[in-house]
Amino acid sequence: QKEVEQNSGPLSVPEGAIASLNCTYSDRVSQSFFWYRQYSGKSPELIMSIYSNGDKEDGRFTAQLNKASQYVSLLIRDSQPSDSATYLCAVDSGNTGKLIFGQGTTLQVKP
Amino acid sequence: GAGVSQSPSNKVTEKGKDVELRCDPISGHTALYWYRQSLGQGLEFLIYFQGNSAPDKSGLPSDRFSAERTGGSVSTLTIQRTQQEDSAVYLCASSVGTSGPQETQYFGPGTRLLVL
Repeated sequence: QKEVEQNSGPLSVPEGAIASLNCTYSDRVSQSFFWYRQYSGKSPELIMSIYSNGDKEDGRFTAQLNKASQYVSLLIRDSQPSDSATYLCAVDSGNTGKLIFGQGTTLQVKP
Repeated sequence: GAGVSQSPSNKVTEKGKDVELRCDPISGHTALYWYRQSLGQGLEFLIYFQGNSAPDKSGLPSDRFSAERTGGSVSTLTIQRTQQEDSAVYLCASSVGTSGPQETQYFGPGTRLLVL
């Protein structure tokens, strides 16, 4: 069974620090990787997508992908209290666009 | 523009009753997905539509669950003879439907289902 694993946390960081969120996946043929942010009681919102090995930066967010190690991560620089949320890692499964989600990592940014 | 909408936002039902959940995707999006999120868990894929056809139904938990899509737009997810373990948030997402796995899926607000 295809799996996506995340540490459920909570991960607690002080305001202004770098938050590092990690995700591993089991399906070697996966090609598309996504990080969604989900505030409590709200629906997931896409914050980053990555398809090639290496780093992809967007503002304070950097996604990192290592297909050989089947590992994807999300770095949040200058963390803000408003970044406090659950971060869901999602990986494509097959060519339909179906996504397999991890259980999410809860991030707490303390002022 | 309008995002994905779902109705009802909340549904409380008694065990054994049937429920119908509705999803209205972003206009022009041909791909539509249903996911389920149980308390404190990640999202679980249920079914995928491309247009009106469902090439991937692999996530439907049992034959009590069915879904359809008409006119390439609105989709309904029906749960028959609901059980308490069906209690969850049911999320619908849509995407453009032309680029496969690299497309962004936009999620609706979800329907919170509670089976008593």
